[in-house]
Amino acid sequence: AQSVTQPDIHITVSEGASLELRCNYSYGATPYLFWYVQSPGQGLQLLLKYFSGDTLVQGIKGFEAEFKRSQSSFNLRKPSVHWSDAAEYFCAVYGGSQGNLIFGKGTKLSVKP
Amino acid sequence: SAVISQKPSRDICQRGTSLTIQCQVDSQVTMMFWYRQQPGQSLTLIATANQGSEATYESGFVIDKFPISRPNLTFSTLTVSNMSPEDSSIYLCSVEVITSGRVNEQFFGPGTRLTVL
Repeated sequence: AQSVTQPDIHITVSEGASLELRCNYSYGATPYLFWYVQSPGQGLQLLLKYFSGDTLVQGIKGFEAEFKRSQSSFNLRKPSVHWSDAAEYFCAVYGGSQGNLIFGKGTKLSVKP
Repeated sequence: SAVISQKPSRDICQRGTSLTIQCQVDSQVTMMFWYRQQPGQSLTLIATANQGSEATYESGFVIDKFPISRPNLTFSTLTVSNMSPEDSSIYLCSVEVITSGRVNEQFFGPGTRLTVL
């Protein structure tokens, strides 16, 4: 069955530091992968997606993610974190039985001043 | 894209009561989903709301507990029935929008934060 693993429950980084959030997936075919962000009291906002082609995907808010088939990973990166990036980040793969997304458990990002 | 609104945004309810959550989309969509996000957990699909027919429920979710309506292509409701504290969660409405490529994008509403006492 398809699954998504986000190994880090909570990460704290200093403002201006670089960020990498890990995501591993389990999927039989070519995966369609997504990263969403959920700010406190807000819904989920799509940061970026990977369908095919270039394995380095650019998203909104300065985020990027790299698809590595050999490692079954789709890690999210940002070169310089801003305080407003503090939120919860969810990795997801398309392929639920009803055409839905399957989500990881999320990584909560805290940003130190 | 799609703009999704949900009502109520939050509620505190007593055990044994029911709450109906509304989801309104600003455009017609075919696929509409309801997810649950329990505290500290990921999002889990409850069901797909089908227009003109019964909702399709995931394993572990039943119509008696989570009845869903979908009267048209822009609106759906989810009812959480006979609530218990274990139903305390965020409930999110999601729609699928056709985009370029073989996989469409899914957009999410702001969620309804439910607390059951």
